Parts: sequence; C-alpha cells; structure tokens
Amino acid sequence: KNEVEQSPQNLTAQEGEFITINCSYSVGISALHWLQQHPGGGIVSLFMLSSGKKKHGRLIATINIQEKHSSLHITASHPRDSAVYICAVRYSGNTPLVFGKGTRLSVIA
Amino acid sequence: GAGVSQSPSNKVTEKGKDVELRCDPISGHTALYWYRQSLGQGLEFLIYFQGNSAPDKSGLPSDRFSAERTGGSVSTLTIQRTQQEDSAVYLCASDGGQETQYFGPGTRLLVL
Repeated sequence: KNEVEQSPQNLTAQEGEFITINCSYSVGISALHWLQQHPGGGIVSLFMLSSGKKKHGRLIATINIQEKHSSLHITASHPRDSAVYICAVRYSGNTPLVFGKGTRLSVIA
Repeated sequence: GAGVSQSPSNKVTEKGKDVELRCDPISGHTALYWYRQSLGQGLEFLIYFQGNSAPDKSGLPSDRFSAERTGGSVSTLTIQRTQQEDSAVYLCASDGGQETQYFGPGTRLLVL
C-alpha cells in the first residue's frame, strides 16, 4: 500500500526552538512536497524536492531517496510558524498528490 | 487573477440537495485536481484532469460525485443528493507541468 507517514502528529515548541518534522513513504516517488496550511485553511506549497536539500529563509527541507525519508526543519521558530505542515508525494509525472495526515505545530511566545 | 480561485467560499445545504462547486485554475495550467479535507482528516484525492485526456476519477467516493472541465479551464465539481458525510473543505489545485501545485482557498461545504 502506498502510504505517507508523518511524525509527530502534534508538536508544541517555545519560540526560538529548532523544529524537525519527519515524513516517510513506502515506494519510489518522482517528487515530494511540503505544504503549509494555516488555521484559515489556505494551503501554500513550501518546497518541492526530488533530491538533496532546499532552503528558504528559516525553512530547510531535505530528502533521502534511498531511505524514502524527508525532513522539514524550522530554525528560530516563531509563533507565526504555527500551522499544519503536510508532506505529500507524487509517484510519477503530473499525477495527484498523496498526502500525509499532517503535523500540527504550535509555537508559543 | 494570479492564483487559483474557488466559489463559493462557503456552502450550507440540506441533505439530499445537489451542489456545484467551481474552480478557476491559473491561466495556462493544463492539470487540475480536486481534493477533499474532512474535519480532522487529511487531504484525499478526488479527481484529476490533464489536458484533453480522460479524467482520472479513481478518487471519487461514490457515483453521486462528478466533475467536468470545460474548455480546458474552469472546472465544476457536482455532488448529487448530498449526505452529511459529504461535509468537508473541497480544494482545487492546478499546475503547469512544473510539478508545483497551486491550491485554491477551498469551498467549505456543510450538509445539514
């Protein structure tokens, strides 16, 4: 069965902490996405990865293709980072995304 | 507009009624996706359109659900004889072949 597993499900952090959210998948993929969903419901694409590492501001995403694992890191976390972070994969080409259940992050000032 | 738009933003309907949800993708994007997010649940795929190819309907939960895409642009998701379990946020996304999907704001459907 093709599954995307995320951990942790919920995460509470103090402002300034370094945060890691993990994602693992079961079969080969063409790309992995990290998405952010704020309480209002809108979804924003943060990263799309097929190998290696990407960085944007305080966000870093890495992927290990051999281990079928990706991590999203947030450095110097801030309350505005509070959101649900969703890992999603594509198995080939322009096919629909398969989503993890999300990680609910709360950053407390 | 610059992004994916959806309408209505909220819809309240009575059980048994039909509803239509609309998605306007980013101009020029050939791929369009419908997803659903039920309360407390993750996102699930419903249907996918790619260019002029036959749509991938493998995610539709029942034959009460259907979707069409006219002229390769606007798409309408129709739910017939709505049930309470259809209550969810319905999200549309599009991409232009670069693999990044752009999501609309969603339609929040409540079936009473």
